[in-house]
Amino acid sequence: EVQLVESGGGLIQRGGSLRLSCAASGFAVSNNYMSWVRQAPGKGLEWVSVIYSGGGTSHADSVKGRFTISRDNSKNTLYLQMNSLRAEDTATYYCAREGVSTGAKDLWGQGTLVTVSS
Amino acid sequence: EIVMTQSPATLSVSPGERATLSCRASQSVSSNLAWYQQKPGQAPRLLFYGASTRATGIPARFSGSGSGTEFTLTISSLQSEDFAVYYCQQYNIWPETFGQGTTVDIK
Repeated sequence: EVQLVESGGGLIQRGGSLRLSCAASGFAVSNNYMSWVRQAPGKGLEWVSVIYSGGGTSHADSVKGRFTISRDNSKNTLYLQMNSLRAEDTATYYCAREGVSTGAKDLWGQGTLVTVSS
Repeated sequence: EIVMTQSPATLSVSPGERATLSCRASQSVSSNLAWYQQKPGQAPRLLFYGASTRATGIPARFSGSGSGTEFTLTISSLQSEDFAVYYCQQYNIWPETFGQGTTVDIK
C-alpha cells in the first residue's frame, strides 16, 4: 500500500528540539520531491520544507536556520529536525509527496501534533 | 511571496445545490494551481492540479477552472461527504503558498 506515516510529535518546551519522522511505503522517497506542511490549530496550511529528488533542500523563511529536512533512502524515511522551537511552531505537521507529473501534493500522511509550551 | 485569497470564507449550501468557490492570486501563477479538500481530523486530499485536472478518484461533480490569477472550484451537486474545508495552493513560484480556505457547510 502506498502511504506515509508520521511520528515523533509531542509536547516540548520552548527552545527545545524535536525530530519528526515520516515512513514511506509503496514508493521511494528518493524519487520524489517530499515536503513538510504544517497546520496550526484551527488555521490553514503552511508549507515548511522540501527535499528534492536530487537531494537539495529549501525551507520557509519562518523556519530557516532552525529546521532541517533530510531523508534516509535506506529506510525510505523523511525527517524534520526542529531546533529552537517557538510557541508559533505549535501545529500538526504533515509530510507530503509531490507527484512527479502533477507538481501538487498527491499523497499526505495523517499528521503528527507538535505542541510547544511557553 | 504570492498571496492566495479565497472567497467566500464560508459557504452555506443545501445538499444537491451547486457550490462555487473562488481563489485569487496576487500575481500570475499560470496554471500551477491545486485544490485540496480537508475534513475534520483528516489530512488534506488532492482534488485538482494544473488548475483543472482532476486527481485520481475525484468524482466528476467536481470541476476546476481558471489560469493566471483567477481560479474557480465548482461542485455541481453537493453530497453529504462534500461538506469540508477547501484550500487552493500555488506551486508556480517559491515559496508555494496556500489560501486561507473556504468552509462549505450545510445550510
